[in-house]
Amino acid sequence: DAKTTQPTSMDCAEGRAANLPCNHSTISGNEYVYWYRQIHSQGPQYIIHGLKNNETNEMASLIITEDRKSSTLILPHATLRDTAVYYCIVRYAHNTNAGKSTFGDGTTLTVKP
Amino acid sequence: GAVVSQHPSWVICKSGTSVKIECRSLDFQATTMFWYRQFPKQSLMLMATSNEGSKATYEQGVEKDKFLINHASLTLSTLTVTSAHPEDSSFYICSAPGSQGKLFFGSGTQLSVL
Repeated sequence: DAKTTQPTSMDCAEGRAANLPCNHSTISGNEYVYWYRQIHSQGPQYIIHGLKNNETNEMASLIITEDRKSSTLILPHATLRDTAVYYCIVRYAHNTNAGKSTFGDGTTLTVKP
Repeated sequence: GAVVSQHPSWVICKSGTSVKIECRSLDFQATTMFWYRQFPKQSLMLMATSNEGSKATYEQGVEKDKFLINHASLTLSTLTVTSAHPEDSSFYICSAPGSQGKLFFGSGTQLSVL
């Protein structure tokens, strides 16, 4: 799996968009970018994933740069319940060892009133 | 989306006893499941890969005789912490892979060994 780099922490005002960056400069052609989040004392939750096109679902949007060396997870209207640790992971989609992905330290997002 | 159920959510036990944690995929089959442990303010650390119908694969440094894993069916994997000691106190989480490489996680089990 390609290595990812994320900021340690970020703050966001409630109701504003939260933009969480992730650098993955060593990503290879067939590796996907996955985002998960972990709310305190809970298991991680899948958010979104993409290969090269921007993606959007009910939870978030994922913007991947044209060279695929970085991406941004966007929570369009952050709420207090979005306070969590956000993990960016890069790996092959059909990897039977998906669970072996290194989660790293992620970004602790704190949404403030 | 796919749901993984983990039970119990928390358990307190005496030193020397064994504790079993269950992980079930509720609406999909999982021939493989993964077990992690997580200490406060740290990231998830993979302990082992559970394989349906065969032996689990343990990560380096994880004692297979202490952390017994059984994957008896396509929807159930169990982790038994044998002869638990205070240093085994941790947050244990399971996951199962779904479609498109997505991982679905259980809600975690907080183990406290007195």
